[in-house]
Parts: sequence; structure tokens; C-alpha cells
Amino acid sequence: AQTVTQSQPEMSVQEAETVTLSCTYDTSESDYYLFWYKQPPSRQMILVIRQEAYKQQNATENRFSVNFQKAAKSFSLKISDSQLGDAAMYFCAYRSPNTGNQFYFGTGTSLTVIP
Amino acid sequence: DTAVSQTPKYLVTQMGNDKSIKCEQNLGHDTMYWYKQDSKKFLKIMFSYNNKELIINETVPNRFSPKSPDKAHLNLHINSLELGDSAVYFCASSQYDPPSSEAFFGQGTRLTVV
Repeated sequence: AQTVTQSQPEMSVQEAETVTLSCTYDTSESDYYLFWYKQPPSRQMILVIRQEAYKQQNATENRFSVNFQKAAKSFSLKISDSQLGDAAMYFCAYRSPNTGNQFYFGTGTSLTVIP
Repeated sequence: DTAVSQTPKYLVTQMGNDKSIKCEQNLGHDTMYWYKQDSKKFLKIMFSYNNKELIINETVPNRFSPKSPDKAHLNLHINSLELGDSAVYFCASSQYDPPSSEAFFGQGTRLTVV
């Protein structure tokens, strides 16, 4: 199984500010895909953003962007202009065709947004 | 339209009972999964089915038995429930290829064993 590490169990951010959630992974593969999922209190897992390892350009989705550092095996999520609705657990995930295309999840970061 | 639906959402049962959780997806995906989320929110893969065939069976007690009658359904049957089985169980689906495909999750089933 692949190892995906989220070293920040909890983070907090003031509303309208920017926060960065960290994720690192362990792999010897060159072909893989990375995802960030959000799990609000409703429990529903929602895809936030994805990144293909072969792409150098960092993915962005509105207020969400990633900082993908392939050599460092790092995939952090930046949330700009944080909103109260961003409060949730955030999970980083790894998927590779060389490991059966399974999704391997990190341990999650609980984000609190302070009004 | 719900993409991945699992029932029930909540399940409270006594130790020793047998219970099932049902999952259905209407996305046309060829791969379905069961994950267990413990009290620390850690998501652990339990089973993965591709085209109705088991492709991943992580270290899970054999009291847990998945059944996939067709590509759109993956049910989870649990025998002789134990206190430690209390958790939230998530069903998910995706396309096996391309690997850039995301996983879609059901709303989870909170299982409480008393």
C-alpha cells in the first residue's frame, strides 16, 4: 500500500484569509494522480481538485489551488479567501495504474474557519 | 439523481448480530469500493471490485463478506458483529481507467454496535 501523509491533524484560518494544507506521499512510480477531497460534517466526500503527475502546471479550481512538487513528493492544497463553508476534513489521495488504480488516502486534516 | 447511494444511513445493532449494507451506483462505473472510517476519521480500503470481480481484499476479518451481483451494486454483509466494528462505512465507485478518474462516494453508513 502506498503511504500518504498529512502531517497537520488540525488547522484553523480566519475567514477571508488563506490557508495551506500539507500532503506528502511515498512512491517510486512516475505515473500517478493526486486528489484532494473535502468531507464536511454531512459526511459526504466531495472532490476538490486533482493533479496529474505528468503535468508541471499546478491545478486550480476557483479559490482552491495546489502546489505540486514532484521531486519532493509534495502536494499541498491552498484555499484562498476562506469561507465558513470550507470548514471540513480534507483528505489527500493517491492513485496509480501501477498499484492497481486503488485510491490511498491520507489521515486527514480538520480545517476550522474562524468568523 | 443520487450517484452512489447506500442504505441504511444509520444502523444500530447488538453484538453478535448479522447485518448488511447495500450500495448502488448509477454512474456506469466499472469499479466499486468499500472503505471503513474509524473514530479518528482514517479512511481504510476494505474491498475493491472491478467488473464484479474482487481485486483488493485488505486485511479484513472474514466476518466481512462483499457481494457484487452486478457492476452497479456492491453489498457488504457482516457476520457476528463486534464492538470494534462500530465505524462509518463508505461505498464508492469510479472508472478503473483512466486513473485520473475520481472516486464518487455514498453518504456513508454509521454502524453502531452495542
